[in-house]
Amino acid sequence: DQQVKQNSPSLSVQEGRISILNCDYTNSMFDYFLWYKKYPAEGPTFLISISSIKDKNEDGRFTVFLNKSAKHLSLHIVPSQPGDSAVYFCAASAPGGADGLTFGKGTHLIIQP
Amino acid sequence: DTGVSQDPRHKITKRGQNVTFRCDPISEHNRLYWYRQTLGQGPEFLTYFQNEAQLEKSRLLSDRFSAERPKGSFSTLEIQRTEQGDSAMYLCASSLATGNISPLHFGNGTRLTVT
Repeated sequence: DQQVKQNSPSLSVQEGRISILNCDYTNSMFDYFLWYKKYPAEGPTFLISISSIKDKNEDGRFTVFLNKSAKHLSLHIVPSQPGDSAVYFCAASAPGGADGLTFGKGTHLIIQP
Repeated sequence: DTGVSQDPRHKITKRGQNVTFRCDPISEHNRLYWYRQTLGQGPEFLTYFQNEAQLEKSRLLSDRFSAERPKGSFSTLEIQRTEQGDSAMYLCASSLATGNISPLHFGNGTRLTVT
């Protein structure tokens, strides 16, 4: 049973436009959400996070939005750049966070020139 | 480079053999995690340590898997009597437990192929 769902296996966006990656979760106990970026042959790299007490967190070109009532979060990248082409994983943790993160299956973002 | 280091990067073994992987976390991090990732999936939690104590194990971690972190620094993950289904990327991550939530920092993984 997938507790964190990324329903788009891939997404193609033109360079300079906005990329929007979506993530849904089912476990209402999750209170902290993260996005990781992964290049081939490398481990996931932390990108941005958001606590459940917030609905938005921004870091440069990256913004994460959280809609708790819908159990939905999204990552916006604007403007998209070629180096953003990677697999993006949504992850979530429950209170305490010590038992690790639950990841989605990832979305492969392709930025076209 | 002071990131999480994993060794080896690749391991090919025959079914039934034992394998051991090593992870060196970021030096000041007291939490260490093992994850497994198969093709088309996200990383799946296996186990984690706080210092030398193994505090949580996933049901994915069968009896053939054992992890240690003897001195609270590096960790090893051993798989005994490997099976073809064990073929995956094994990822190690570390974090610093503080009052605030700290993101996990991942290594580049060990890719295991069981033939």
